[in-house]
Amino acid sequence: QQQVKQSPQSLIVQKGGISIINCAYENTAFDYFPWYQQFPGKGPALLIAIRPDVSEKKEGRFTISFNKSAKQFSLHIMDSQPGDSATYFCAASHRGRGGADGLTFGKGTHLIIQP
Amino acid sequence: ETGVTQSPTHLIKTRGQQVTLRCSSQSGHNTVSWYQQALGQGPQFIFQYYREEENGRGNFPPRFSGLQFPNYSSELNVNALELDDSALYLCASSLGPSGGDTQYFGPGTRLTVL
Repeated sequence: QQQVKQSPQSLIVQKGGISIINCAYENTAFDYFPWYQQFPGKGPALLIAIRPDVSEKKEGRFTISFNKSAKQFSLHIMDSQPGDSATYFCAASHRGRGGADGLTFGKGTHLIIQP
Repeated sequence: ETGVTQSPTHLIKTRGQQVTLRCSSQSGHNTVSWYQQALGQGPQFIFQYYREEENGRGNFPPRFSGLQFPNYSSELNVNALELDDSALYLCASSLGPSGGDTQYFGPGTRLTVL
């Protein structure tokens, strides 16, 4: 059972454009939603995270939008740069269960920013 | 860099063999989680260790086992290797076991089972 569905699988955006990646979750117990960025040959690195008590969180060019009723959240990358080319993963966890379930990841989005 | 290291970088084993992968967590992090990342997929949670005890496990069989040591190092052991075990194995350390604690990932060990 895939509990976090991520789309699109791949995305090509022109330099300076907005990259948008979407995720939907099924488990209503999830209450922590991080996004990770992974470059080839590296492990995932935390980009930004949100908790369901807010609808939006912004850090620099990266924004998470969260819709609790729709059980959806998305990552927006403003002014996309070639250095943003990487694979992006959304994830979810239940803070209260601690390590019992770990992070549940989406399948990833391969983002290419064209110069 | 996250300060989390893993060894070896790459490993080739034969079906039926046993393998041990190693991880060194950030200093002060008493929690380590292990994930399996198949090619083109997101990481899947194997298990978590907190203060040297298994704290939670994903949908992986008992032939996947682990150890955590007081010096912030840990191991993932896989017995009776199968072809489907070929993947990137990631460890992640965190300050605590809460689902909301940031997990810092190492670069992974690429395991190939022939």
